[in-house]
Amino acid sequence: QQPVQSPQAVILREGEDAVINCSSSKALYSVHWYRQKHGEAPVFLMILLKGGEQKGHDKISASFNEKKQQSSLYLTASQLSYSGTYFCGTESTGGFKTIFGAGTRLFVKA
Amino acid sequence: DVKVTQSSRYLVKRTGEKVFLECVQDMDHENMFWYRQDPGLGLRLIYFSYDVKMKEKGDIPEGYSVSREKKERFSLILESASTNQTSMYLCASSSPLNTEAFFGQGTRLTVV
Repeated sequence: QQPVQSPQAVILREGEDAVINCSSSKALYSVHWYRQKHGEAPVFLMILLKGGEQKGHDKISASFNEKKQQSSLYLTASQLSYSGTYFCGTESTGGFKTIFGAGTRLFVKA
Repeated sequence: DVKVTQSSRYLVKRTGEKVFLECVQDMDHENMFWYRQDPGLGLRLIYFSYDVKMKEKGDIPEGYSVSREKKERFSLILESASTNQTSMYLCASSSPLNTEAFFGQGTRLTVV
């Protein structure tokens, strides 16, 4: 069953912040985040393993609440290059197949 | 530079045809995946393979089959193409720990 992402779409001005949420009805082992630019392949951003860790690089970070089966992706001081569709992928305990959400379309304008 | 290569970027096939989509990776990855991407539905898993000759169904396997005879190659087969299989197909591979997946550029299949 696909994880649920929210919001479905968001429009930002350069420099604004955004949060993308991902929730699952299943117990999770890990959460993956990917970004796909128009006409390109999805590209890996980061993985969070159960244990409630938080990760980040540059101005993009994420958290994983194992108990709530939720993850959030934080984009700080957004740049034009952040535009694209963001997918969360979840991996349930005992399996290693990644199931992706429907995606969140993010558009950053100048 | 790591690579997942899909044999075609665009394909047009007729209803009822048998269609083969090929994917090759050069990273010696054990895991390989086939996803279908449709607007508003995201990436949906069709089949995956965690070793040569091993395969498991994903969420939407109906109408599809797969073949993995060699570690680097994972093929998706549409036994009898139908118009509702018109979509973007993405192949991916990952290491056994599945910490990061690498995607191919996709094959946009149109069934007429």
